[in-house]
Amino acid sequence: EDQVTQSPEALRLQEGESSSLNCSYTVSGLRGLFWYRQDPGKGPEFLFTLYSAGEEKEKERLKATLTKKESFLHITAPKPEDSATYLCAVPYQAGTALIFGKGTTLSVSS
Amino acid sequence: DTEVTQTPKHLVMGMTNKKSLKCEQHMGHRAMYWYKQKAKKPPELMFVYSYEKLSINESVPSRFSPECPNSSLLNLHLHALQPEDSALYLCASSQDLGQPQHFGDGTRLSIL
Repeated sequence: EDQVTQSPEALRLQEGESSSLNCSYTVSGLRGLFWYRQDPGKGPEFLFTLYSAGEEKEKERLKATLTKKESFLHITAPKPEDSATYLCAVPYQAGTALIFGKGTTLSVSS
Repeated sequence: DTEVTQTPKHLVMGMTNKKSLKCEQHMGHRAMYWYKQKAKKPPELMFVYSYEKLSINESVPSRFSPECPNSSLLNLHLHALQPEDSALYLCASSQDLGQPQHFGDGTRLSIL
């Protein structure tokens, strides 16, 4: 059964305190892994797509990496505005739909 | 601002009402999706349209009826909903199936 698991469920950081979020997956024939950010009351905002092990993508203070079994979202020197829920998702049913992890809720305090 | 526009932003309806949710995108995307999201949960897929044809119906009750009038528009018709149907309803689109999906900000639906 295809599954996506994210950890931790919640993460509290001080401004400037770097950390990583984890997304592990069990999907046969990975067709990409997507990272999203979701603010309260908003729809998920697309961040990155990763397609193959060893691939890395960066955007401002965020860097996403992919191995054969998991992906990491590294947050370097976070700011309060980085506070949000971060979701990872993988395509299933021959790529027709996405299965989401339960998300990591990040809180960054100044 | 997102490139997927959903209306209305909020909707309160009784269990006997009929209403519709609307979604519009002008990115030329050929796949469109409806998701349901409950508080502190990830989005759950409801329907997938590809090239204006229904590809997936994730065993959604018939009180939810999707419609794709053209490649830019997606509707979700609601009838005789239950209180447990209260949720955030999200629309998304992608260039094609399997491509990254771009979401609207959703319609917050409350059933009295």
